[in-house]
Amino acid sequence: GESVGLHLPTLSVQEGDNSIINCAYSNSASDYFIWYKQESGKGPQFIIDIRSNMDKRQGQRVTVLLNKTVKHLSLQIAATQPGDSAVYFCAERYQAGTALIFGKGTTLSVSS
Amino acid sequence: GAVVSQHPSWVICKSGTSVKIECRSLDFQATTMFWYRQFPKQSLMLMATSNEGSKATYEQGVEKDKFLINHASLTLSTLTVTSAHPEDSSFYICSARELSVNYGYTFGSGTRLTVV
Repeated sequence: GESVGLHLPTLSVQEGDNSIINCAYSNSASDYFIWYKQESGKGPQFIIDIRSNMDKRQGQRVTVLLNKTVKHLSLQIAATQPGDSAVYFCAERYQAGTALIFGKGTTLSVSS
Repeated sequence: GAVVSQHPSWVICKSGTSVKIECRSLDFQATTMFWYRQFPKQSLMLMATSNEGSKATYEQGVEKDKFLINHASLTLSTLTVTSAHPEDSSFYICSARELSVNYGYTFGSGTRLTVV
């Protein structure tokens, strides 16, 4: 459903570590999921997507895992870099043609 | 790739005035555009969905008379915040869905609205 959050959880990691960001989505019928990165004052930037008929998808340094049984999505970032510091949102689509519904977001802080 | 141009990137207006935000798909036809609002340290909240040539569909709690959406062509949608008040200050973001692409959602860069 709609996400209303007053505080974004924070994940703090060291440069070079692997990061895992988790997301619980709301609709078991959702057919499409996307991870976005948002830097301060900017619009969401596409990272990686996955369709509901898949459970894993890999990109460059990023992997998305989908567990439909528990309605859970995760984003793994390998060898995290300071430039990865941002807020990360998962988004789900309830059905084709409709809007993306965003999760609460996680702030990733990478220290060097 | 697909690009959505949103402007202005920021605007300051006085209480009681109206502000128009434009969202253009530059290299594709957007059959549907979506408008979101984002308050500080919060997620993006869907405000409305607009389809070219028809009335927008607003989410529950969003005043359609206050947030006027026009989607007159396949490349342009506008959001007008009427009689703006300080509580309307927020980051507004548009997203466009490409006509021929089932999985294509492209976001604008957002508009920071400050009402004083």
